[in-house]
This record gives sequence, structure tokens and C-alpha cells, in this order.
Amino acid sequence: EDKVVQSPLSLVVHEGDTVTLNCSYEVTNFRSLLWYKQEKKAPTFLFMLTSSGIEKKSGRLSSILDKKELFSILNITATQTGDSAIYLCAVEFTGGGNKLTFGTGTQLKVEL
Amino acid sequence: GAVVSQHPSRVICKSGTSVKIECRSLDFQATTMFWYRQFPKKSLMLMATSNEGSKATYEQGVEKDKFLINHASLTLSTLTVTSAHPEDSSFYICSAAPELAVYNEQFFGPGTRLTVL
Repeated sequence: EDKVVQSPLSLVVHEGDTVTLNCSYEVTNFRSLLWYKQEKKAPTFLFMLTSSGIEKKSGRLSSILDKKELFSILNITATQTGDSAIYLCAVEFTGGGNKLTFGTGTQLKVEL
Repeated sequence: GAVVSQHPSRVICKSGTSVKIECRSLDFQATTMFWYRQFPKKSLMLMATSNEGSKATYEQGVEKDKFLINHASLTLSTLTVTSAHPEDSSFYICSAAPELAVYNEQFFGPGTRLTVL
């Protein structure tokens, strides 16, 4: 059975801290791994990763994939209160017709 | 671009009634739309994959007769919760995959919060 597990489930940090969110997966015929940020409503797309070792970066956020060890990390540097959200990791497998299997999510709260 | 809307955004209904939720891709055509359910502080659980012009594919444990899905056009999919009960109360989110997507670019709607009294 395909499985995507995120850790930690939740964390609270202070503004300016750096956080690392983890996503591990067990998926047959892996195709891609995606990160989303969900605030109050719809998840918004952050990154899509398909190749190992290539860091994707967008401002203070970055992510990398390790296809050998079957995990990805999402880093957020110099966190701000606006980074408070649920961060979702999802994995797509080939032959799944674009279907995504979502992880448990990590709830991040950034305090002043 | 790539906007997905859902209607209504919030609905409260009595137990035993049916509720229809619409998911529309506003500026692109989507051959495939997905319906998810999300409980408070939990992740998205895929309920079904909706394909235009064909029957939806339901995930294991999701009742087809309870959650009716119709994908009538390339821009509209509907989810009808039939004979709703309080345990059906949840946040329902749809996503749409563009017809000509290069990657698996799913765009999410804003969600519909269903409360069944």
C-alpha cells in the first residue's frame, strides 16, 4: 500500500528560526513528489520534485528529494508569522492517472 | 490563470437531505478532477477521481451511492452527498488537472465546508 508520512506532525517556532519539514514515502512506481502550503482554504503549490539531489528554491523556501532513501525535506529559513500553515507532501506514481497520495501534513506555527 | 472555484463555500443542512457541491475550472479545461475530504487538522484524503464523460473512480472505502460524482463537461464536476448524516460533516476540496498539463499540475479549489445537523 502506498504511504506518505510527514514529520513532525506539528511544531511551533519563533520568527527568524529555520525549520526543516520531512516527508518519507513508500510508493510503487514513483513519479514525482509535491509540496503544498495550506492556510485556511485550498492548498497552494510550492514545489514539484522528480530528480534526486537537485534543490528547488523559492525565496526562503527550498526543497530537495532523495530517491534512494525515499524522502524529501522542505526548508524554510528566517521564518515569518505568515509561514504559519499546514505543509502537505504528496506523491504521484506512474500509471496512477495524476492521482496524488497525500501525507499526514505538518502544522507549523510561527510566533513572534 | 489556473483558477478553480467551488460552490457553495459553506453549507449547513439537516440530516437526510442531499447536498450538491460544484467544482469549476474557470480558465482551463480539465479532463480529470479529484475530490478530497479533509477532517480538522488532518491531511487530504482522496475520495474519487472524476473523468469527463465517464464514471468516476472511487477510492477504497468510499461509498459510490453516497457520494455521487458527475463530470458533465471539461470545466465542471459535481459531488452530491446523498442522505447526508452528521458524520459526513467535513471540508470537501476539489482539484483539477489541466488537459494539456506538462506535469501533474493540480489546482485546488477553495473548498466547501459541509455541516450536517
